[in-house]
Amino acid sequence: AQSVAQPEDQVNVAEGNPLTVKCTYSVSGNPYLFWYVQYPNRGLQFLLKYITGDNLVKGSYGFEAEFNKSQTSFHLKKPSALVSDSALYFCAVSLTTDSWGKFQFGAGTQVVVTP
Amino acid sequence: NAGVTQTPKFRILKIGQSMTLQCTQDMNHNYMYWYRQDPGMGLKLIYYSVGAGITDKGEVPNGYNVSRSTTEDFPLRLELAAPSQTSVYFCASSYRGELNTEAFFGQGTRLTVV
Repeated sequence: AQSVAQPEDQVNVAEGNPLTVKCTYSVSGNPYLFWYVQYPNRGLQFLLKYITGDNLVKGSYGFEAEFNKSQTSFHLKKPSALVSDSALYFCAVSLTTDSWGKFQFGAGTQVVVTP
Repeated sequence: NAGVTQTPKFRILKIGQSMTLQCTQDMNHNYMYWYRQDPGMGLKLIYYSVGAGITDKGEVPNGYNVSRSTTEDFPLRLELAAPSQTSVYFCASSYRGELNTEAFFGQGTRLTVV
């Protein structure tokens, strides 16, 4: 069975400081990994994904994430946080061998960026 | 560029009532999903479909039913609403190609059962 852990319920950061949101996963096989962001009363918006190739992937709004196979992690990072980055962030995993393409989501991490 | 459209956005049901949450996508995606989101619990998969006529249960299917008669539509049916079904429901779709594997989400339906 696959699972996704986001160990922090909330991350607080001052505007302009680096932002990191942690994600670790457990799968039997090779994963596809994703980050989504959810603003209040909205659906989830796709930020970035790791499929194959370069372990550092860049996505929307200046976010990036690094796939670390040995540590089974996929942490989301942004060098300089903005107040507008305050939102709920979800990490998700899908197995490359899952022909049904199901996604397993973490519980989410609330990011609060203060001015 | 509509993407994934869900209706209604909000609904209040009484215990025992039934309703259908509508979901349609215009991206010609073969895969579609229904998730529910409860506070602090992330998203739980209710049902999913790989194409018209093919559906299967996810993690939390009890109390729900689905059908997939067309590529575009994937309605979710609640037959006998219970307070435990109070949640926010999201429909999503994806194309399981070699590189295009992310899911696209609708805006959600906030359901309250009283």
